[in-house]
Amino acid sequence: AQSVTQLGSHVSVSEGALVLLRCNYSSSVPPYLFWYVQYPNQGLQLLLKYTSAATLVKGINGFEAEFKKSETSFHLTKPSAHMSDAAEYFCAVSEAGNQFYFGTGTSLTVIP
Amino acid sequence: DADVTQTPRNRITKTGKRIMLECSQTKGHDRMYWYRQDPGLGLRLIYYSFDVKDINKGEISDGYSVSRQAQAKFSLSLESAIPNQTALYFCATSDSAGIVKQYFGPGTRLTVL
Repeated sequence: AQSVTQLGSHVSVSEGALVLLRCNYSSSVPPYLFWYVQYPNQGLQLLLKYTSAATLVKGINGFEAEFKKSETSFHLTKPSAHMSDAAEYFCAVSEAGNQFYFGTGTSLTVIP
Repeated sequence: DADVTQTPRNRITKTGKRIMLECSQTKGHDRMYWYRQDPGLGLRLIYYSFDVKDINKGEISDGYSVSRQAQAKFSLSLESAIPNQTALYFCATSDSAGIVKQYFGPGTRLTVL
């Protein structure tokens, strides 16, 4: 069975500080892993995806995530937070790209 | 124009009413999904369809039904709405070829009184 755990439903960082959003997954086979961002009153937008190529994945808006099999983690990072990064972030896992399982989300607040 | 559209965007209804939420896509994808989003629970899969003749139940299908009228259209129905179906509903699509990723519609906010 697949599942995703996002540690921390709310994260606050100062503008310019490091953003770290945590995601751990469980999967019986090598998974596809995704991070999505949701801005207020909008649908989900793909930030980046891991598909068994490079373990460090770069996405849009300066975000990146590193796949660590030994830790079953896929944490999202950005070196310097911007006010426009304030949003809800979802980690998702899929085996073979059929069904997708989402975490409960992390709300990111950026403090000026 | 948006690739995935949902109608209506907002709907308020009463307990016991039948409601249909519609989703259309212009991406030419064969796979379509319906999710509901609740605060603190993330997105949960209601139904999904891999082609016009394929319908599958997701994690929380009770109280819902779907219809795949064409490759581009996937409707979600609540036969008799109840208050705990108040949520934000998202339609998504994906292609079966290559490394799949999902494209989401803007969502429908449904309130059942």
